[in-house]
Amino acid sequence: SQTIHQWPATLVQPVGSPLSLECTVEGTSNPNLYWYRQAAGRGLQLLFYSVGIGQISSEVPQNLSASRPQDRQFILSSKKLLLSDSGFYLCAWSVRGAGTSTQHFGDGTRLSIL
Amino acid sequence: GENVEQHPSTLSVQEGDSAVIKCTYSDSASNYFPWYKQELGKRPQLIIDIRSNVGEKKDQRIAVTLNKTAKHFSLHITETQPEDSAVYFCAASRPTGGGNKLTFGTGTQLKVEL
Repeated sequence: SQTIHQWPATLVQPVGSPLSLECTVEGTSNPNLYWYRQAAGRGLQLLFYSVGIGQISSEVPQNLSASRPQDRQFILSSKKLLLSDSGFYLCAWSVRGAGTSTQHFGDGTRLSIL
Repeated sequence: GENVEQHPSTLSVQEGDSAVIKCTYSDSASNYFPWYKQELGKRPQLIIDIRSNVGEKKDQRIAVTLNKTAKHFSLHITETQPEDSAVYFCAASRPTGGGNKLTFGTGTQLKVEL
């Protein structure tokens, strides 16, 4: 069966520090991968999605970036964190090429910026 | 782009009563409508979904209806139980270049009272 892993589960970082969040998927090949952010008490906002290695689409202009160095690995980064980057970051995957397909979420990373 | 509106933002019901959550979408090309349940601090989990070639789908106590003409869809939970208490999100999606981007509603906090 397919599983999705995110780490770390929680992270506290000072303003201006760099960020790297990692997501990996097991049990499937060529998945679509997504990064979402959820502010406290709010809905989910799509940040990036990827349909293949090195292919990244950005949905919201910001100081975050994403990379997909391997088929089942998706990384969210920042060179300098802002206070507004605090939130719950969720990675998700879906089957590629199946038109619209279910997105399955990881357990998320809770990021607090001090 | 797609815009999804969700109502109500909070909903309190007595145990055993029914709960209804409604969403509207703007993009007539959207063809996939999932519903997610998110418990506090946890990841969203898919509870039911519907595609645009179907008007209604049911899974035990949960049902979803879709009106393509009016561009709205609803979640119905019957015989509510305390464990149904959570935040529920609707979403809409259309296929785009091998992937599918979900646009989420702002969520409904459902509280089932004893």
